[in-house]
Amino acid sequence: GAVVSQHPSWVICKSGTSVKIECRSLDFQATTMFWYRQFPKQSLMLMATSNEGSKATYEQGVEKDKFLINHASLTLSTLTVTSAHPEDSSFYICSASLAQGSNQPQHFGDGTRLSIL
Amino acid sequence: AQSVTQPDIHITVSEGASLELRCNYSYGATPYLFWYVQSPGQGLQLLLKYFSGDTLVQGIKGFEAEFKRSQSSFNLRKPSVHWSDAAEYFCAVGAGGTSYGKLTFGQGTILTVHP
Repeated sequence: GAVVSQHPSWVICKSGTSVKIECRSLDFQATTMFWYRQFPKQSLMLMATSNEGSKATYEQGVEKDKFLINHASLTLSTLTVTSAHPEDSSFYICSASLAQGSNQPQHFGDGTRLSIL
Repeated sequence: AQSVTQPDIHITVSEGASLELRCNYSYGATPYLFWYVQSPGQGLQLLLKYFSGDTLVQGIKGFEAEFKRSQSSFNLRKPSVHWSDAAEYFCAVGAGGTSYGKLTFGQGTILTVHP
């Protein structure tokens, strides 16, 4: 149980294009999902908290207009990197919890490697 | 704000040897602590978690961790390492209050296992 699927796993695109990454909870409903960014050989940095039916909460320093998050249903959250540039190249990971609460472990997708040429 | 420190960036052990990965946290209240493992190019898998109660917690794959409040530590241990344990390990602390559910990760420790 508690499977989180992320798609695509790898995407390469030209500078200036927009890229959408999907995060799905396959066997449970997730009111809250989280989006992280991981640079090579570094830890995960929380970008935003995605709440079903409401606006995402972004961490300080993360551009809301650059990284659009939509959480339209209890099983799907999307992250769109708009007008992507080479500096946006990174590994993006989403996670979801079975229930709300800081004591609930998060279950992670397998990540999306984004490469902007 | 909470923080997590993993002092060892890279650890190398021989297969069959014991393992201890260090984790120190800083948090004003009772922490919720987690250990995750990440294989190259993949997401994170939960190894174990501590919320309350017994300070020695058992996880998957033969791992255990001990919460020591006096030392603000949550070290991960395994008595006998297998080659398949080679990966990167992250310690994390969960926030409460208005930031509930958010995780703060340590820098990670890369484990190399020699045959």
